[in-house]
Amino acid sequence: AQKVTQAQTEISVVEKEDVTLDCVYETRDTTYYLFWYKQPPSGELVFLIRRNSFDEQNEISGRYSWNFQKSTSSFNFTITASQVVDSAVYFCALSWNNDMRFGAGTRLTVKP
Amino acid sequence: DSGVTQTPKHLITATGQRVTLRCSPRSGDLSVYWYQQSLDQGLQFLIHYYNGEERAKGNILERFSAQQFPDLHSELNLSSLELGDSALYFCASSVAFGTAQSEAFFGQGTRLTVV
Repeated sequence: AQKVTQAQTEISVVEKEDVTLDCVYETRDTTYYLFWYKQPPSGELVFLIRRNSFDEQNEISGRYSWNFQKSTSSFNFTITASQVVDSAVYFCALSWNNDMRFGAGTRLTVKP
Repeated sequence: DSGVTQTPKHLITATGQRVTLRCSPRSGDLSVYWYQQSLDQGLQFLIHYYNGEERAKGNILERFSAQQFPDLHSELNLSSLELGDSALYFCASSVAFGTAQSEAFFGQGTRLTVV
């Protein structure tokens, strides 16, 4: 089955702490894409990153970094030196062929 | 602005009623997805249309139906509404999932409140 699991339902950290959001996926396909989306309190979904299954290079964008490991079917997201504005629900997603599924989301609360 | 337009933004209706939610995808996008997000819940996949054809169904109730029209806009019809149907309904569009242009763009959502 094609599936995305975000085992962490809620995470709470204090500002400036580093935090990693876990994402584990299952797929039968060899070609697929993985995504992270952010849903701030305002409600809209904001695209953060897309990786394809053939590119296991880690990516860093400012305080955000992503670690893609096919061996463990994981696509984890790390926020370095977290800020209050990072408080949101973060969704990991998997797409393949012409379909897409989201994980249940992880609610991150960053306290000042 | 994602380019995906959902109307209305808010909807309040009574139990037993029927409503239609509308989604206009980004220009050129062939795929439309509908998701339901209940309070403090994740995104529940409802249905996927690609170029007018239904491609996949998720946990969509029989009281719910959708379609994608020739101009690629989509409508989600919710009937015999129950209190538990109160949720944020998102539409997302993409050129096609599974290709290099598979990023999904989300609308602002329609918040449905059933009273």
